[in-house]
Amino acid sequence: DVKVTQSSRYLVKRTGEKVFLECVQDMDHENMFWYRQDPGLGLRLIYFSYDVKMKEKGDIPEGYSVSREKKERFSLILESASTNQTSMYLCASSRVHEQYFGPGTRLTVT
Amino acid sequence: SQKIEQNSEALNIQEGKTATLTCNYTNYSPAYLQWYRQDPGRGPVFLLLIRENEKEKRKERLKVTFDTTLKQSLFHITASQPADSATYLCALGSPYNNNDMRFGAGTRLTVKP
Repeated sequence: DVKVTQSSRYLVKRTGEKVFLECVQDMDHENMFWYRQDPGLGLRLIYFSYDVKMKEKGDIPEGYSVSREKKERFSLILESASTNQTSMYLCASSRVHEQYFGPGTRLTVT
Repeated sequence: SQKIEQNSEALNIQEGKTATLTCNYTNYSPAYLQWYRQDPGRGPVFLLLIRENEKEKRKERLKVTFDTTLKQSLFHITASQPADSATYLCALGSPYNNNDMRFGAGTRLTVKP
């Protein structure tokens, strides 16, 4: 079974802090994604990566950056957390179309 | 702008009945459409994929239709069970980029015993 793990299930950070969210997949998938999910808005793509050190902006990249130094690991970085970044963050990986999601990290920025 | 609408935020049905969820889209020509299930506090889980040249796809008690003229997909769960209660998301895939997938906001299905 494909497994996608995320470093934390719940995280509380203060405004202005730098936040790292880590995602690891164990199926050698080329593609990895970071989404945020907010009530009524569905999943919105922040960034994706189709190879090591490669990244593409999604629909809402502002305030975020990513890092993919190894194929199995994709990190999301909030350079300076703000309250409007309070959300559920979901990581996913895929080979072609079907995406496998991690359990999510619920981030609260106070 | 592209828009994906799932019929309602919540749908309540009685156990044993068929649940029908709708996904409509505008200003988009997806190459394929996927349905995912999401339980509270968990990530979505892939259920089915249907391509633009396919009209219907089945998997056990699940059936998906895809009408590119109406720009609509219907997702059916027959003989529904309380364990089917979850949020169901549709996602549309771009014909140009495998990594470009757009999700709907989801429909929360509750199956009452």
